[in-house]
Amino acid sequence: DIRMTQSPASLSASLGETVNIECLASEDIYSDLAWYQQKPGKSPQLLIYNANSLQNGVPSRFSGSGSGTQYSLKINSLQSEDVATYFCQQYNNYPRTFGGGTKLELK
Amino acid sequence: QVQLKETGPGLVQPTQTLSITCTVSGFSLTSYYMQWVRQTPGKGLEWMGFIRSGGSTEYNSEFKSRLSISRDTSKNQVFLKMNSLKTEDTGVYYCARAHWYFDFWGPGTMVTVSS
Repeated sequence: DIRMTQSPASLSASLGETVNIECLASEDIYSDLAWYQQKPGKSPQLLIYNANSLQNGVPSRFSGSGSGTQYSLKINSLQSEDVATYFCQQYNNYPRTFGGGTKLELK
Repeated sequence: QVQLKETGPGLVQPTQTLSITCTVSGFSLTSYYMQWVRQTPGKGLEWMGFIRSGGSTEYNSEFKSRLSISRDTSKNQVFLKMNSLKTEDTGVYYCARAHWYFDFWGPGTMVTVSS
């Protein structure tokens, strides 16, 4: 199984700040990577797919990058509604696997 | 618009069988893969398996021996059945639409395994 390791596990940032979340795959996943946002009590929502493609309706302050085994999610100009837990997920191979999550809070 | 909704029993006794129904609207089950994902305190988000648009299935080997996924296209429903439940199976169970990445999710159904 491909192991997905996210860092940091938690993060505190101020409004307007830029935030970066990292995701490391245990082997090359050829950009078959998605990022999801999950707010408390809600299901995950797709933000980014194919490592850097923005899902319809997602604000442009979210962006994804990376290749091979290393990927990142960037949030520019942090807003209060971005407080959530973020997960990466690989779909290069079965079983599909998720990172452990990064909990983002406001400072 | 695309909608998915899971319906489950809430509480299941250990060793019993879990049955969850996912009812979809806004798209056809014969055009999309439907996946099941669960979120547990112990393991976080876990992919369980899927049913292809053509009706064949694939399962995570973690669950393969006790998991079954099926569907009724006439009712726009997908079914999850998992037997021999343990307390560690307590969590939220989601259905999601996906060929690769999961673009639409249901709200999830909480399942508690307890006597």
